[in-house]
Amino acid sequence: RKEVEQDPGPFNVPEGATVAFNCTYSNSASQSFFWYRQDCRKEPKLLMSVYSSGNEDGRFTAQLNRASQYISLLIRDSKLSDSATYLCVVIRYGNKLVFGAGTILRVKS
Amino acid sequence: DGGITQSPKYLFRKEGQNVTLSCEQNLNHDAMYWYRQDPGQGLRLIYYSQIVNDFQKGDIAEGYSVSREKKESFPLTVTSAQKNPTAFYLCASSIQGHGNEQFFGPGTRLTVL
Repeated sequence: RKEVEQDPGPFNVPEGATVAFNCTYSNSASQSFFWYRQDCRKEPKLLMSVYSSGNEDGRFTAQLNRASQYISLLIRDSKLSDSATYLCVVIRYGNKLVFGAGTILRVKS
Repeated sequence: DGGITQSPKYLFRKEGQNVTLSCEQNLNHDAMYWYRQDPGQGLRLIYYSQIVNDFQKGDIAEGYSVSREKKESFPLTVTSAQKNPTAFYLCASSIQGHGNEQFFGPGTRLTVL
């Protein structure tokens, strides 16, 4: 079993739709969580950190569920420019980042 | 502009040759990292360095070597011992500590023929 698992997708949604991704992690000692965005053939860039209390940044909302060991990312009012691969990142014991394989989102007009 | 640069963007090498990938940052970050990305897989850590003249193996260090002689530079050598070197290589840096946001360079696509 992979330490961080994501549904690879692709999620094909129309503009304006709301879409949610989940990411599960296996190490209960994981300390910190992030969502990164990666455009095709480009480097990953930090989208947002995920806090225990949940956090929101504009159209993006991230949630953490420690009991069930998953984090989620909700995107409201999807834009064409949201099309990308979304990487779930977990910091495990020893302070090393572990990346999920990513979820592909395609927003279509 | 502050940032992290990698060169070259694309690199082709014959099997059995060593090749060195460049990574430079002017963000004054202490920590630097090398990852490889393969289709359908997450980024996997090759080596990391938290301070000049010190570095540690990541999860897949076999067949790779690094040096950290300057704070700004963290070159990666892919040796002939690496069995499957064709991949997308990403360098990253952060202020000290893995828990901080990592900034990535644009990557180098290495193809071994």
